[in-house]
Amino acid sequence: DQQVKQNSPSLSVQEGRISILNCDYTNSMFDYFLWYKKYPAEGPTFLISISSIKDKNEDGRFTVFLNKSAKHLSLHIVPSQPGDSAVYFCAASASGDYKLSFGAGTTVTVRA
Amino acid sequence: DADVTQTPRNRITKTGKRIMLECSQTKGHDRMYWYRQDPGLGLRLIYYSFDVKDINKGEISDGYSVSRQAQAKFSLSLESAIPNQTALYFCATSDPGFYNEQFFGPGTRLTVL
Repeated sequence: DQQVKQNSPSLSVQEGRISILNCDYTNSMFDYFLWYKKYPAEGPTFLISISSIKDKNEDGRFTVFLNKSAKHLSLHIVPSQPGDSAVYFCAASASGDYKLSFGAGTTVTVRA
Repeated sequence: DADVTQTPRNRITKTGKRIMLECSQTKGHDRMYWYRQDPGLGLRLIYYSFDVKDINKGEISDGYSVSRQAQAKFSLSLESAIPNQTALYFCATSDPGFYNEQFFGPGTRLTVL
């Protein structure tokens, strides 16, 4: 059973607007969360992360929000750019366990 | 040059054949991982290794085996390939630490006919 879920397989957004990607998790032991970005024919690349001691982490146009009580995190991309068109994976891990559990991914398409 | 390389990048094989996918890294990381990606399922962990003498099964290890020949090399074998092993395979590495960022290779697209 998947412990990390991304319930939206795809998202289409106009250039310049905000993209919001959602991720839910079921394992209460998870305390570190990452977002990866994947282009076709390439491996996933790390985008941004957040630990459970924070509820927000920002890096340029990318912000991740964590709601521990709801076991929910989201990635905001503002403003969205054509180069942001990719598959985004949410991942989670627990302290002392160096494995990552991944969601199914959300394909983002940014329209010009 | 890429830090994590995978060979081959594409492979078509037949049911019952043995196949090996290779991964090499120049990052100096002790930890290495093999994943497969299937549409709608994301990345699932097949095997992982925290050092040369340490090999561990992931969530979907049946039908696969691995070999850690050196710190920099981690190979995945399909002893007798079957069509439902058709997938995109990724190797990854990481450094110990709280921030478990993993670095991925470019992937191998495997098709089993």
